[in-house]
Parts: sequence; structure tokens; C-alpha cells
Amino acid sequence: DIVMTQSPDSLAVSLGERASISCKSSRTVLSTSNNKNYLAWYQQKPGQPPKLLIYWASTRESGVPDRFSGSGSATDFTLTISSLQAEDVAVYYCQQYHSIVWTFGQGTKVEMK
Amino acid sequence: EVQLVQSGAEVKKPGESLKISCQGSGYSFTFHWIAWVRQMPGKGLEWMGGIYPGDSETRYSPSFEGQVTISADKSDTTAHLQWSSLKASDTATYFCARRAIRSTVAGTLDDALDIWGQGTMVTVSS
Repeated sequence: DIVMTQSPDSLAVSLGERASISCKSSRTVLSTSNNKNYLAWYQQKPGQPPKLLIYWASTRESGVPDRFSGSGSATDFTLTISSLQAEDVAVYYCQQYHSIVWTFGQGTKVEMK
Repeated sequence: EVQLVQSGAEVKKPGESLKISCQGSGYSFTFHWIAWVRQMPGKGLEWMGGIYPGDSETRYSPSFEGQVTISADKSDTTAHLQWSSLKASDTATYFCARRAIRSTVAGTLDDALDIWGQGTMVTVSS
């Protein structure tokens, strides 16, 4: 299976400041057939199901604020929240869907400082 | 409205069987993969497996193969997750989620999980 490793496990950021989360995969998730990275980011708030934020590593899902952005390719990816808002306090997960067996990162908890 | 609605919370004893459901509406249920994801209390997300309702092709994570059965009924647009003999370690919240289909210049591509059910909490305790 492809192992997804996020860092840090948690971070505290002041209101309006930038938050960055790293996600590394043990094998490439870049498809050679269409040059797309099969990497998604999800946000989960307490008591709620996850919400898709980013797919194909950098494409924002419809309705997701543009302060959320994704970058990276192959095995190294980053989710950036450019200006943290109170409603962004949540746990964030990366997920690869390149291999037949999908895998999630362990999650990164983002808190307000 | 596109949505997945899951069955309600369950409390079971070890060794009992269970089948939980996930009903899709507002879209063509047949053409989108449905995934099942486990979240144990206070823990992260684990992909268990998925099913393509169109032909019932099923895939399982090695961690869950043989432990659960995933099925789907096209006629009532419902996917199911079932256990034949529950263990205390099956205590968790289970989410179903739809795999998106994206249009590109080269055609359509299966993508990430864009629509999620609300979750079904399963408690297994003697």
C-alpha cells in the first residue's frame, strides 16, 4: 500500500496567519497516462463527515474559499491556508487515490493560537 | 440535491451480525463508486473498500478483506456494509462517500470523494 505521512500532527496558527501542512507519499501518485496527481485534501470538523477541499493535488472543489490552496507533485504535497479564519479550525487529511487501495494520511489538527 | 443518507446508530454485542446502509439520491447512483471509510473513536480515516453499483465490482483494503462485505442494490440506490460477527474493535463511525466523476478535455475521470454520508456510529459492547 502507499503510505501517506502528514506533518506536523498539529499546529496552532494566529487568526489571519498562514498555515501549511505537508503530505508525503511512499510512492508516486502521479499518473503517467494523464499527468494528474491523484491526491486530495479533506477538512473534518468535530461531529461532521469530511469535506473535500482539493482534488488532483491543486484543484479547489466548488465552493471552497480561495484561501485554501494545494501544491506539489509525485510524492510531496502541501495544503496552504493563506489567512486562517476561525471556521478553519479542523483536522485536515490528505488521501491518495492513485492505487487500487486508497490511503489517507494520519491527519493534522489545526488550532487557533 | 445530491446526497447520501446513512442508516442510524447501532448498538450490538460481540458475535452479532450487522448490515448498515447508505442511500444515494439526486444523481445517477449506478455510475459512481461508493466508498466506505472507518473512523475509530478519536482516530483518523481509514479506507475500507468500495463498490461500483453498475456492475457490483468491489475492492477491499487488505486490512478489511474478509472482515466485512460491501454490496449495492441499484434498484433502491443503496449501498451496504455488513459484518457476520462483530468484535469490540469494530466500534467506530462508518462513512460512505461517493467518488466524483470529472469531465476533462480527454473525457471523464474518476476522482476523489466529493459527497459524504453523515456517518453511522456502531458500538459493539457486551
